[in-house]
Amino acid sequence: SQTIHQWPATLVQPVGSPLSLECTVEGTSNPNLYWYRQAAGRGLQLLFYSIGIGQISSEVPQNLSASRPQDRQFILSSKKLLLSDSGFYLCAWDRGFNSPLHFGNGTRLTVT
Amino acid sequence: DAKTTQPPSMDCAEGRAANLPCNHSTISGNEYVYWYRQIHSQGPQYIIHGLKNNETNEMASLIITEDRKSSTLILPHATLRDTAVYYCIVRVYNSGNTPLVFGKGTRLSVIA
Repeated sequence: SQTIHQWPATLVQPVGSPLSLECTVEGTSNPNLYWYRQAAGRGLQLLFYSIGIGQISSEVPQNLSASRPQDRQFILSSKKLLLSDSGFYLCAWDRGFNSPLHFGNGTRLTVT
Repeated sequence: DAKTTQPPSMDCAEGRAANLPCNHSTISGNEYVYWYRQIHSQGPQYIIHGLKNNETNEMASLIITEDRKSSTLILPHATLRDTAVYYCIVRVYNSGNTPLVFGKGTRLSVIA
C-alpha cells in the first residue's frame, strides 16, 4: 500500500530564517506531487505541483520554492520566512488520470 | 475546472443521514465530481468521486443528478466523528497534471 510521510509535524521559526519541509511517498512510482497551504481559518491554497523529477509548476508567486530531487521526494523551501508564511502545509500525491488525491498529516508552521 | 457552490454550514443529528448538496451547473462532460473532508487539524481525506452514475462506498453515497448540474453526498448514519469541512470539487478527467482546487466547503456539525 502507498503511504505519504511529511515532517516535521510542527515547526516554530523566526522571521528571516530559512525553511525546508520534506515529503516522501512510498509504495508507488512517478506520482504527481503537490504542496498546499492553509492559513488559520482559511481554505486550502495550492502552492506547487510536480508531474515528474525536476518539473515544478508554481500556482502562487511568493518567497517559497519547491524542488523534486527524486521521484518520490518533494521539498518546500524558503530562504527567508515572513510572518505571512505561517500556516498548515500539506503535501499530497496522486497518480493523475482521475485517481484520488492523498494527503499527508501536514506541518504546522508558526513564524514568529 | 468548473466552479462549485456549497452551503457554508449544516447541522445533523447523530445517527441520522447527512445530505450535503453541491451545485456545479457549469460542469463539462469530461469532469468528475469529487468529495473530500477535512477534520480539524488534519489533512483532507478522500471520500468518493463519480462521473454521472450514483456511487457508493463504505463511507458514503454520491448522488449525481441526470443533468449533472448538482450532486449530493450522503452519510447514511452520521456520527460525531463525521464533524468536518466537506469539499465538493470538479476535476477534468484524463488530465495527469490538473491539480484539485479546493473551495470553502461545507462545515458539517454532527450534534449528539
